[in-house]
Amino acid sequence: DAGVIQSPRHEVTEMGQEVTLRCKPISGHNSLFWYRQTMMRGLELLIYFNNNVPIDDSGMPEDRFSAKMPNASFSTLKIQPSEPRDSAVYFCASSFDSSSSYNEQFFGPGTRLTVL
Amino acid sequence: KNQVEQSPQSLIILEGKNCTLQCNYTVSPFSNLRWYKQDTGRGPVSLTIMTFSENTKSNGRYTATLDADTKQSSLHITASQLSDSASYICVVSERGSTLGRLYFGRGTQLTVWP
Repeated sequence: DAGVIQSPRHEVTEMGQEVTLRCKPISGHNSLFWYRQTMMRGLELLIYFNNNVPIDDSGMPEDRFSAKMPNASFSTLKIQPSEPRDSAVYFCASSFDSSSSYNEQFFGPGTRLTVL
Repeated sequence: KNQVEQSPQSLIILEGKNCTLQCNYTVSPFSNLRWYKQDTGRGPVSLTIMTFSENTKSNGRYTATLDADTKQSSLHITASQLSDSASYICVVSERGSTLGRLYFGRGTQLTVWP
């Protein structure tokens, strides 16, 4: 298996532009997680899905952030409009079953977002 | 307030030496504790996971310990290699909710010099 796939790997955009990050989870995994990582705050869980349904989006910072999972093999995280403080590395992770935290989450390589 | 604190923030050691990273948490009720290794430019990769009843768990040169009474965990790296240079993140899961709310430490940045 190729693991969790994220695209793009790097994104540089200007303030106010829309940004869409993409993720393909590991086949057979039914839980998907979006994280943000910064030097100041470390890793933060933004939202997670179970069987394509958003379960907990309490970590989404503002209404400018939205996430969708239209099917079991694809998810997007959208920021509209983007701001410089959104600059971070965004990780997608997947696991077999989110009902137990014992199930390991497998992380993608991340998307490094820079908003100028 | 549930928190996870890691120390030291950064560490530099010479190749071949041992080192120990610390993780203190206040998460309650406790479910499990996981150590991740994150290489530069990569996503975190799980090294070990420990539940309440486990005191020690090894993965090659990595040995994690857990003291659930004092809410402390350590990650010991034996005979360090250059490839051990990475950030090590402690993640504690809270028992009870569907997922088990996850609390992340900010990581220890380890650098191994030749």
